Amino acid sequence: TQLLEQSPQFLSIQEGENLTVYCNSSSVFSSLQWYRQEPGEGPVLLVTVVTGGEVKKLKRLTFQFGDARKDSSLHITAAQPGDTGLYLCAGARNDMRFGAGTRLTVKP
Amino acid sequence: DVKVTQSSRYLVKRTGEKVFLECVQDMDHENMFWYRQDPGLGLRLIYFSYDVKMKEKGDIPEGYSVSREKKERFSLILESASTNQTSMYLCASSRLAGESYEQYFGPGTRLTVT
Repeated sequence: TQLLEQSPQFLSIQEGENLTVYCNSSSVFSSLQWYRQEPGEGPVLLVTVVTGGEVKKLKRLTFQFGDARKDSSLHITAAQPGDTGLYLCAGARNDMRFGAGTRLTVKP
Repeated sequence: DVKVTQSSRYLVKRTGEKVFLECVQDMDHENMFWYRQDPGLGLRLIYFSYDVKMKEKGDIPEGYSVSREKKERFSLILESASTNQTSMYLCASSRLAGESYEQYFGPGTRLTVT
């Protein structure tokens, strides 16, 4: 059982659509990070959220940390083919734990 | 710009061989990590190190060992490779920044054990 559950596991959408992916846990984290991993490459850090209820925006990506610091969401507006990849969340306590990821495919 | 490099992108080894995976970071980070990544299982921590010559077991250390003789280099060793160690191996480094552990990853080594 994963400490961090990500949903959906797979998502395939058309260019221009909006989407939200989720990262849930029963544990409280001091911070939570989102990474994107492209095929054949290592994960690249997108954002770190630290405060409960925090919202951060990175161009068309909006990240939210839950009030109780147990969950997070990533919303992408007007998805583009370049957004295709594996999105991983990772929660920090005394260590770092990763979810299994959401594999997003954006079709042109 | 943080750079983490791994010695090989692809590696094919035979069962029973000793395998060395090397990782080097150029940002003077204290922390270094080795993960393996398998479909549906996410990243699982094998070993990590917070200082030179220091190592700590992660979640799945069995069948692996590590070495950190210099701050910038962290090596993963498979003493006797087995087919269930076929996987993507990712190295990462980080500096403890406040309460965050922002990690910077290498490109990965895809290891196949036949």
